[in-house]
Amino acid sequence: NAGVMQNPRHLVRRRGQEARLRCSPMKGHSHVYWYRQLPEEGLKFMVYLQKENIIDESGMPKERFSAEFPKEGPSILRIQQVVRGDSAAYFCASSHDQIGDIQYFGAGTRLSVL
Amino acid sequence: QKEVEQNSGPLSVPEGAIASLNCTYSDRGSQSFFWYRQYSGKSPELIMSIYSNGDKEDGRFTAQLNKASQYVSLLIRDSQPSDSATYLCAATAGNNRLAFGKGNQVVVIP
Repeated sequence: NAGVMQNPRHLVRRRGQEARLRCSPMKGHSHVYWYRQLPEEGLKFMVYLQKENIIDESGMPKERFSAEFPKEGPSILRIQQVVRGDSAAYFCASSHDQIGDIQYFGAGTRLSVL
Repeated sequence: QKEVEQNSGPLSVPEGAIASLNCTYSDRGSQSFFWYRQYSGKSPELIMSIYSNGDKEDGRFTAQLNKASQYVSLLIRDSQPSDSATYLCAATAGNNRLAFGKGNQVVVIP
C-alpha cells in the first residue's frame, strides 16, 4: 500500500530555469496539498487541489508558481524562472475526502537553485 | 499574530523522562489538531491527531486539547533517544489546509 510518492527527491536548477515537482497521492485519496519548508522555518501551506480543481491557492506566490492535479496522472507543482530564494523542501500531502482528515506527507522534493 | 505558535526553544530531556511540548493557535474556528514528528532531512510523520477537548493517549504519547484556551500540548513519556526530533504542531485553518508552528526540537540524552 504505497504512500504519497514524490519525485524527484532532489532537483538542481540554475536561475531562470523551470522546476517541475510531481506528487502521486496515497491510494484512495483525492485531496492533495503542497507545502514549502524554507531552511530554519516551519512548513507553509501553498495550495490545495482536488482532481481538476484548485480549491485554495492562498499560499501560492502570485507569480511564477502554478499547480495542477489533472484527471489522470500526478499533481504537478511548477516553478518558472526559478530564483535562489526558491531553494527549499517542497512537501506534498494527501488526505481522504473528509474535512479535518489526516494529511499524510510524501518524502519531499529538495530544490536547490544555483 | 501567527496562526500556530510554538515558543519553546530546544528541549533536552534525560532518557526515560517526560518531554512536554506546548502550542497555541489563534483561529477559534480550527477543529482538528495534529502533532507531527520530523527527523532532520526527512518528511513530517503523524504522531497524534486530536479533535475534542481533553486527553488522547496513544502508547507513550498523550495529546491534550483545550479549545477555550486555544491550547494543544503533547507529552512524551519514557523518552527514548529515537524520540530526538523536531515536533510540529498543526491546526486546520480553513479549506482543510494546515497551519504549522515552527516546531520544537527535542533532544533525548542517553
